[in-house]
Formats: sequence, C-alpha cells, structure tokens
Amino acid sequence: GQQVMQIPQYQHVQEGEDFTTYCNSSTTLSNIQWYKQRPGGHPVFLIQLVKSGEVKKQKRLTFQFGEAKKNSSLHITATQTTDVGTYFCTANQAGTALIFGKGTTLSVSS
Amino acid sequence: KAGVTQTPRYLIKTRGQQVTLSCSPISGHRSVSWYQQTPGQGLQFLFEYFSETQRNKGNFPGRFSGRQFSNSRSEMNVSTLELGDSALYLCASSPRTSGRVGYNEQFFGPGTRLTVL
Repeated sequence: GQQVMQIPQYQHVQEGEDFTTYCNSSTTLSNIQWYKQRPGGHPVFLIQLVKSGEVKKQKRLTFQFGEAKKNSSLHITATQTTDVGTYFCTANQAGTALIFGKGTTLSVSS
Repeated sequence: KAGVTQTPRYLIKTRGQQVTLSCSPISGHRSVSWYQQTPGQGLQFLFEYFSETQRNKGNFPGRFSGRQFSNSRSEMNVSTLELGDSALYLCASSPRTSGRVGYNEQFFGPGTRLTVL
C-alpha cells in the first residue's frame, strides 16, 4: 500500500536557525496535508496542498508540493521555542484513508 | 464553536476486557474519523463515519469497531483487549464538504489514553 516517509525523524536546532522536514511518497499523491502536534497535545491542521509545484506561506512557515506530486516539504525560518512539536504530513490513499507519516519531532533550544 | 470532545480522557483496562470510547464532533460536522497513535507506529487511521455509515476503514482487526449516531456523535469499541492496544485514541471531525476523505481539514480531539494491563 501507499506509504509516506518523513525525514528526519528528529531535529534539534538552536533558536533562530532554520528547519526543514521532508515528506516522500513512492506514488503520486492527490493532495497532502500538514499537521503539528505539540507535546502532550493533539494534531492541529496547518495547511493543504493540492496543485503540482504549489508553494504556500504562513508567516515563517513555507510549504511546498513537488512538481511530480510525490514529495512535499515544510520549512521554518528562524525557529522559535513555540515551534517545538511533531510535524506530520498526511496523504490521501485512493480517497479511502488518510496515511500519516511518522512525523518529524523538532526541539528548539534558546 | 466548542471543539471535539472525547470521553473518557484516561482509561485503564486489563487484557480480555472490552472498552468503549466516545467522541462528540464539532457542531455541524458530519464526518468523524478515529486514529490510533503509538510511539512505534505513529498515527494510524482506524475508520471514518459519515452520516451514520462507515465510509472508510483502515487495516485493523475486527476487534475494532465503531458507530455513529444521528447527532454525529461516535463511539469506538475494542473487544478482547490486548497489551498492544495501549495507545492514544484520537477522534477527528470534519465538515467533509469534499466527498473524499483527506480533502478536508481534520479537527482533532484531545484523545483517550488507553492503558491495557
């Protein structure tokens, strides 16, 4: 079945440094969603990408969907301690199920 | 609007028992999905209910079942509990304006932490 691989699994940065997480699939994705889960919390929707090559920005966060719609990335510029958490990408499997990546856990030291 | 609520928040059971978890979606949302989250497997899709019908199902054994009521509230049942069922069970609701699951923003509840001893 379809799998979504996320890398890296963990990332530690100093506050102010940039951070990027990647989501890769072996098959073409119809869309991709990104969620953030704070420690002890629940996933919160960040964004959805649908179009090939799409780029969306939310303040310091930049989301990109690959031209082939097989990969996506989330880039955070100048991380802050409030960015701490696990970032998940999700893909739609044949319109029947949501497949979550294992997530990238970001820690930030000040 | 009030968010997604789940009860109970914490539950301890022993092997062989069964458990029922409850989820109340955001008012107006007709789609409710259930997920299991464990450190090893991450977030895994269990099933989705829409208008009282199970529309989609993940790869879980038949011990895991659910239902949805006319007011969109949903329950999930796990029978014959195993140690490996210990997990955080998350419920998410969605307005599901698109007919395909995964195209609408999912609003997650705080989860039920199930421990099987």
